[in-house]
Amino acid sequence: AQSVTQLDSQVPVFEEAPVELRCNYSSSVSVYLFWYVQYPNQGLQLLLKYLSGSTLVKGINGFEAEFNKSQTSFHLRKPSVHISDTAEYFCAVDTGRRALTFGSGTRLQVQP
Amino acid sequence: NAGVMQNPRHLVRRRGQEARLRCSPMKGHSHVYWYRQLPEEGLKFMVYLQKENIIDESGMPKERFSAEFPKEGPSILRIQQVVRGDSAAYFCASSPINVGDRGQEGYTFGSGTRLTVV
Repeated sequence: AQSVTQLDSQVPVFEEAPVELRCNYSSSVSVYLFWYVQYPNQGLQLLLKYLSGSTLVKGINGFEAEFNKSQTSFHLRKPSVHISDTAEYFCAVDTGRRALTFGSGTRLQVQP
Repeated sequence: NAGVMQNPRHLVRRRGQEARLRCSPMKGHSHVYWYRQLPEEGLKFMVYLQKENIIDESGMPKERFSAEFPKEGPSILRIQQVVRGDSAAYFCASSPINVGDRGQEGYTFGSGTRLTVV
């Protein structure tokens, strides 16, 4: 079975500071990994994904994530956040055998 | 390409009524997934369908909930005799049929239907 753990339910950070949102997964097979963002009262938008190849993946809005197979992690980072980055962020895993499995989400709160 | 279309965006039902949520997948996508998001929680998988076939319904409550994806028309998530605990946002996603394509394109989500049971 596949599972995703997002260790932080909320991450407060000041504007222009760096941020890391943590994600660990569990799977016995190879996975595809995704980060989605959800703004208030909206649907999910794909930020970035890891399929294969380079372990550092760049996404939209200046976000990037690094796949670490030995630590089964896929942490999301941004060197300098903006107020507009305030949202809920979801990590997800796809083994190709079942539907996409989501973590419980991390609420990023960017303060001025 | 209109993306994944869900309607209605908001739905209010009284306890005991039926709720019908509709999802039209992206053009060319043959797989549909339904997720439920309770207030202040993450997305929980409910059911995975392709046309005229349920692939995985392991996340569906045993009673009152059903889903279909007919040969023609949108996928429907049906909730009978709604209760207050059914109040949530219901999201639909679609993907291509092949796993490789699914990885490349990812899943595309609709904007959701927010169900409120009063």
